Amino acid sequence: DAKTTQPTSMDCAEGRAANLPCNHSTISGNEYVYWYRQIHSQGPQYIIHGLKNNETNEMASLIITEDRKSSTLILPHATLRDTAVYYCIVRGPGRDDKIIFGKGTRLHILP
Amino acid sequence: GAGVSQTPSNKVTEKGKYVELRCDPISGHTALYWYRQSLGQGPEFLIYFQGTGAADDSGLPNDRFFAVRPEGSVSTLKIQRTERGDSAVYLCASSPNRGRETQYFGPGTRLLVL
Repeated sequence: DAKTTQPTSMDCAEGRAANLPCNHSTISGNEYVYWYRQIHSQGPQYIIHGLKNNETNEMASLIITEDRKSSTLILPHATLRDTAVYYCIVRGPGRDDKIIFGKGTRLHILP
Repeated sequence: GAGVSQTPSNKVTEKGKYVELRCDPISGHTALYWYRQSLGQGPEFLIYFQGTGAADDSGLPNDRFFAVRPEGSVSTLKIQRTERGDSAVYLCASSPNRGRETQYFGPGTRLLVL
C-alpha cells in the first residue's frame, strides 16, 4: 500500500471547519483513500473513504485532488468531541486486508 | 446493535506469565483482525482471520504470540512468556467480509507487563 504523509498536529477553533491534509503521491490507480480517527482511550473509528470522486457523509467530506496525489478531510463544523488523532490510509483491493496506520494528525479543537 | 467487545479492558501481569485476550466481533462478521498499539504510535497489524482460519499472520512479532478463532466468531490472542516490551493496547476489529470493507474496532485491552 502507498505511504501517506500527514502533519503531526493541528489546531482548529470550535465551530470552524477543520481541514486535514494528506499526501499520498505514490498512490496507484486501484487504491482507495480511507480516513479513520481515534479519540483518546478508544479504538479507531471509520470516517469516510473514496477512490477519485469527492465524498460526503454525515461525519465529513473527502476531497481528492484530480491527480489523486493528495486529499483533504473536512469536518465542516468542528466540536470539542472531534479532538482526536486522524489517520489517512491508502488501501488497495488486493489480498492485503490489513490496515497500515501511520502516526496520523493530532487535531485539537479549541474552545 | 452491539459493537466489537474486548475483555479484559485492562490486564496487569508479571514478566514471564501467560495471558489471553478475548475479542467478541460484531455478530455475522466473518473477518476479524488483531492490532497492537504502543504509546504515541498508530495501531500495528498482527493477524487477520477469515472465518476460522488465519488468512494473514505476518504481523505476529514472534512465536510467543498466537491467536485462535475456533468457531469463526470469538477470537483469543495468546501471549506466552510475556516481556515488558509486550505492554501495549491490543485492538480487535471485525468487518462483514474481506478486502476494503470498513473495519469496526473494539475499545482495546490495555496490557501492562511488570
